[in-house]
Amino acid sequence: DAGVIQSPRHEVTEMGQEVTLRCKPISGHNSLFWYRQTMMRGLELLIYFNNNVPIDDSGMPEDRFSAKMPNASFSTLKIQPSEPRDSAVYFCASSRAENTEAFFGQGTRLTVV
Amino acid sequence: GEDVEQSLFLSVREGDSSVINCTYTDSSSTYLYWYKQEPGAGLQLLTYIFSNMDMKQDQRLTVLLNKKDKHLSLRIADTQTGDSAIYFCAESKNDYKLSFGAGTTVTVRA
Repeated sequence: DAGVIQSPRHEVTEMGQEVTLRCKPISGHNSLFWYRQTMMRGLELLIYFNNNVPIDDSGMPEDRFSAKMPNASFSTLKIQPSEPRDSAVYFCASSRAENTEAFFGQGTRLTVV
Repeated sequence: GEDVEQSLFLSVREGDSSVINCTYTDSSSTYLYWYKQEPGAGLQLLTYIFSNMDMKQDQRLTVLLNKKDKHLSLRIADTQTGDSAIYFCAESKNDYKLSFGAGTTVTVRA
């Protein structure tokens, strides 16, 4: 398996624009996580899906952020409108079950100017 | 996160042992993890330990857990240049939520 695949690897966008980050989890994994990593706050869990259903979105910063998982092999994290403080590395991770090892993608480095 | 604390930097000479320390606050933590992040990459699980264990060894890695003091350490024997990375301590309570420390940047010098 190719592992968790995220795209794009890097994204530079202007403030106010919509940004969509994509994730393909490992086949057969039913848990999917979106994390954000910044120098100031470290790694934060944004949202957790189980069997394509959002279980915990308490980490989503505000209404500008939304995440979807239309099927078991694809998820998106959207920021609309983007702001400079959203600049961070966004990681997607998947696991076979809720409390088993989580495998991380390589991340998307987002820069909002 | 503030529930898990670790020192930010460690410099070690190649061939020496590295010891990375971590403290956590929640005594109900069930699993404790060490993740490694290399530059430009995601996190990779190195090892984990159940809270009812004191020690776990896996090749060059030794994890020690002092549950009374809520202290976790990772020892890397014979540290190599490829061990240069950020190491994250994390804890969970047998569910999906991982609480990560801020990460320790390990630099291996020749």
